[in-house]
Amino acid sequence: GAVVSQHPSWVICKSGTSVKIECRSLDFQATTMFWYRQFPKQSLMLMATSNEGSKATYEQGVEKDKFLINHASLTLSTLTVTSAHPEDSSFYICSAREGGGPTDTQYFGPGTRLTVL
Amino acid sequence: GDSVTQMEGPVTLSEEACLTINCTYTATGYPSLFWYVQYPGEGLQLLLKATKADDKGSNKGFEATYRKETTSFHLEKGSVQVSDSAVYFCALSDSTSGSRLTFGEGTQLTVNP
Repeated sequence: GAVVSQHPSWVICKSGTSVKIECRSLDFQATTMFWYRQFPKQSLMLMATSNEGSKATYEQGVEKDKFLINHASLTLSTLTVTSAHPEDSSFYICSAREGGGPTDTQYFGPGTRLTVL
Repeated sequence: GDSVTQMEGPVTLSEEACLTINCTYTATGYPSLFWYVQYPGEGLQLLLKATKADDKGSNKGFEATYRKETTSFHLEKGSVQVSDSAVYFCALSDSTSGSRLTFGEGTQLTVNP
């Protein structure tokens, strides 16, 4: 089946630093990738949708200057949390979709746990 | 807008018990429906899906039927195992919302030996 990887799986950083998280589709080309944030014991909150070669579309309330998303190729998207603060600590999950329709399955990465001290 | 409602958890069962997790939805178009499972500390894995009314998705002993008349997609398994302990998310994807996934709140399942 389709595999999506994320790197790193966990990261601890100091407040004020920037952190980059990578999301890769390993065995398929992802026209669209999604970034989610998940708080403990809660559902996933969609942060942004990115299509290869174009700017990401951010959900309402998500700061695009703080959460920089780049989708430079059909197999790689990156999320950079700039000037991270403790409230940015969370579990970040990406997903990738090969097609563009509602019947196409999103495949999820294993997640990245970010802790900002 | 689109929404998904799951039965409240947590759900605790003994091994070999029957499982039903209710899921109902509202959507403006003709959605595809999904069940995802999340094991502790991991991302989501697709469990099963159905793309049109009366379709039945099945995998690993789990099954769910797309019921348009009741706008439901209940997850069922006849005999659960300890390894089924996880959080289960019902979700829909609708072309009118840009084919994004809309998730339910998730249901924590714990299966005791």
